[in-house]
Order: sequence, then C-alpha cells, then structure tokens
Amino acid sequence: GAVVSQHPSRVICKSGTSVKIECRSLDFQATTMFWYRQFPKQSLMLMATSNEGSKATYEQGVEKDKFLINHASLTLSTLTVTSAHPEDSSFYICSAPAGGEETQYFGPGTRLLVL
Amino acid sequence: RKEVEQDPGPFNVPEGATVAFNCTYSNSASQSFFWYRQDCRKEPKLLMSVYSSGNEDGRFTAQLNRASQYISLLIRDSKLSDSATYLCVVIEGLYNFNKFYFGSGTKLNVKP
Repeated sequence: GAVVSQHPSRVICKSGTSVKIECRSLDFQATTMFWYRQFPKQSLMLMATSNEGSKATYEQGVEKDKFLINHASLTLSTLTVTSAHPEDSSFYICSAPAGGEETQYFGPGTRLLVL
Repeated sequence: RKEVEQDPGPFNVPEGATVAFNCTYSNSASQSFFWYRQDCRKEPKLLMSVYSSGNEDGRFTAQLNRASQYISLLIRDSKLSDSATYLCVVIEGLYNFNKFYFGSGTKLNVKP
C-alpha cells in the first residue's frame, strides 16, 4: 500500500522557536495532504488542507500565521509551527489520499514537546 | 456540536467476549464512513469501510444506519491484540480530497 513518511518523529524545543515538520508521500503523488493534531486522549482534529501549487485552507480556529504550510511538490508538504509555545505540544499527523482511493494514508506522526 | 461523537469508554472485556461500539454523526449528507484503529502513540490505521448494506471482515462487522445517523462496529471473540482505540471516521464530500472527521475514539481493553 501507499506509504507516507513524516520527519522528525519526535522533537523537543524551547518556547519561542519554530519547528518544521515534513510529510512525504513515498510512492505516489499527492496534490492534497491533510494536517491533523491530536492532544492526549483526544481525537484527531483537522488543522488544514495543504494544496500543491496554491494556498493551504485552514480549519476554523487554526491560525494560519502560526501554522505555516507549504506544499512544495507533489510529494512533500511541510508544516512549520512558528514561535512554538507549550500549549502547541501535541501529536501532529499528516495524511494523503492515494490516487482515486477514498481512504487516506497516514504518516507515522510527529510528537512535539515545547518546553 | 461535534460532527462525530463516540463513547470514549474504556470498554473492559474478557478475551472471547463480543463488544460493540456506536458512533453518531451530525451531517445527514455525509458520504462515507470508516472505522480506524489507533494503537497507543501511533497513527490511525484503516480497519474497515462501512457500507449501507453492512460489511463483515472476519470477527469484525460494521453497519450503517443512515436514518438514525449512526455507525456501529461489532467485534466477536475478542483477542488481547484487539486492545486499542477505535476511531469512527466520516467523510462529508464526494471526492477523494475530502475532509475526514474523526470521533474521539473508543478505548477497548481486552483482558486475559
């Protein structure tokens, strides 16, 4: 099946720094990718839809200036958490639909801890 | 109101038991439905799709009730390895660029 990778898998940073998370589709092209966030014991919440060649669309309540998304190519989307704060500590997961399939393939997730 | 709602559990059951989870969704125009399984600190993985006619995959049976806007997952003969969080997922659009709406998940603990 299709594979999606994320890097890094885990990051610890100081408050105020920016963190970039990469999401790659390894064996297929993805014009659209999705970014989710999951706090402990809570559901995955869709943050934004990343569109190759155009601006990302953000869900209500997600600050686009804080969570910068760049869909640089058909196989890469990046999420940059700018000026991270402890409340941004979470599990960030990306996903991509593969071809004409309805299902999504998820990356393994990135665990962010902001001190 | 949340798009998708689930009982968070946990459901604590002995091995071999039958357990059922329900999930309700708010948008009557929702198109597609899935159950995902998420192990602790891992990404969700597709367990099965849910069709209007219901579908079965081994010990797992999924059903959709559009009139009442809920989907269900039945696990028979529970195994220790079934212990996980089960996420109900609803898609509201028609195309593969759809947004997935996740329930909060139902935690299942299967005990020896």
